[in-house]
Amino acid sequence: SQTIHQWPATLVQPVGSPLSLECTVEGTSNPNLYWYRQAAGRGLQLLFYSVGIGQISSEVPQNLSASRPQDRQFILSSKKLLLSDSGFYLCAWGQGTRTGELFFGEGSRLTVL
Amino acid sequence: ILNVEQSPQSLHVQEGDSTNFTCSFPSSNFYALHWYRWETAKSPEALFVMTLNGDEKKKGRISATLNTKEGYSYLYIKGSQPEDSATYLCAPRTTDKLIFGTGTRLQVFP
Repeated sequence: SQTIHQWPATLVQPVGSPLSLECTVEGTSNPNLYWYRQAAGRGLQLLFYSVGIGQISSEVPQNLSASRPQDRQFILSSKKLLLSDSGFYLCAWGQGTRTGELFFGEGSRLTVL
Repeated sequence: ILNVEQSPQSLHVQEGDSTNFTCSFPSSNFYALHWYRWETAKSPEALFVMTLNGDEKKKGRISATLNTKEGYSYLYIKGSQPEDSATYLCAPRTTDKLIFGTGTRLQVFP
């Protein structure tokens, strides 16, 4: 069966520090991978998605970047965090089909102080 | 940018009440419409995926309908129970991505 894990679960970082959130998927190959963010009081905003190794699509201009160094690994990064980067980050995977549902990781709560 | 709107933003109902929410989305470049339930302290989980105009799906007391021509979907919960309390998210799919609405937060009081 397929599983998805992301870490760390909770992170408190000072403004200007770097960020790395990792997500890995097991039990499937060539998944579509996604990073979403829920800011306070808002819905899920799509940040990045990837349909293959090294292929990253960015949805909104921001202080973050994503990389996919391996087929089932998706990393969200920042060189210098801003206060506005605080939020709940969710990684998800899905098959590249119209009806393929997304399966979400456990989430990472980032607080930037 | 795909604009997905859900209403109401929040809903408080008594146990046993039936309720429904609305999701509206642009009808162009439409591939499928997903509904997810997001319970507190858990990850979102898929409820339904619908693709065809007039589609109707049902899972227990929860059902959903889809109108792709006018760009809306309804989610119905019959006889709400406290365990139905969650945020319900809709997400139209275009090509490789799902764009989520802001959700409807449902609270069912015993």
